[in-house]
Amino acid sequence: QKEVEQNSGPLSVPEGAIASLNCTYSDRGSQSFFWYRQYSGKSPELIMFIYSNGDKEDGRFTAQLNKASQYVSLLIRDSQPSDSATYLCAVRGGETSYDKVIFGPGTSLSVIP
Amino acid sequence: GAGVSQSPSNKVTEKGKDVELRCDPISGHTALYWYRQSLGQGLEFLIYFQGNSAPDKSGLPSDRFSAERTGGSVSTLTIQRTQQEDSAVYLCASSPQTGREQYFGPGTRLTVT
Repeated sequence: QKEVEQNSGPLSVPEGAIASLNCTYSDRGSQSFFWYRQYSGKSPELIMFIYSNGDKEDGRFTAQLNKASQYVSLLIRDSQPSDSATYLCAVRGGETSYDKVIFGPGTSLSVIP
Repeated sequence: GAGVSQSPSNKVTEKGKDVELRCDPISGHTALYWYRQSLGQGLEFLIYFQGNSAPDKSGLPSDRFSAERTGGSVSTLTIQRTQQEDSAVYLCASSPQTGREQYFGPGTRLTVT
């Protein structure tokens, strides 16, 4: 089982809709979770991080964490064509790999005008 | 403030030559990471530094790859006797401390001919 898994996509949503991106992880002790956005030909940029169970909102973005289910998601409300990019989930390891941050393979999102 | 910088932005080299890639992290960031990304692929972890120490070198693909960090700041990734399969974008990221959010540089695109 891969340590951090994401659907590769592409995920297509119409402009104005909610895009839902999902990520699962294998290390039950993981404590910190990050979402990055990567436009084609560019480097990843941090969108959000979340440490506690529940929801964290920042503008049109909401990160949701469920440690019991080992699941973290990113919701993008009122999706815009400029949101079209690859979204990377990253997870900080648990006790045995505390300093390690593992990236998922990314989900490609396409927002259709 | 200044972000992470990398140089050169592009490097074309002949097979068998050595190359050095440089990363200047955000001032005050103690953790520094190197990744490799081949076209259309995810991030491949290479090595990370906490201060000048590299606790995890597990991602280095072969003994042709080495990295160092001096003064808790600038880092250099060296690839000896380059091969065509080394062609990729090499990304550097820095973080306030290990396991926290990472900020990426623009990358160095390496092409081995």
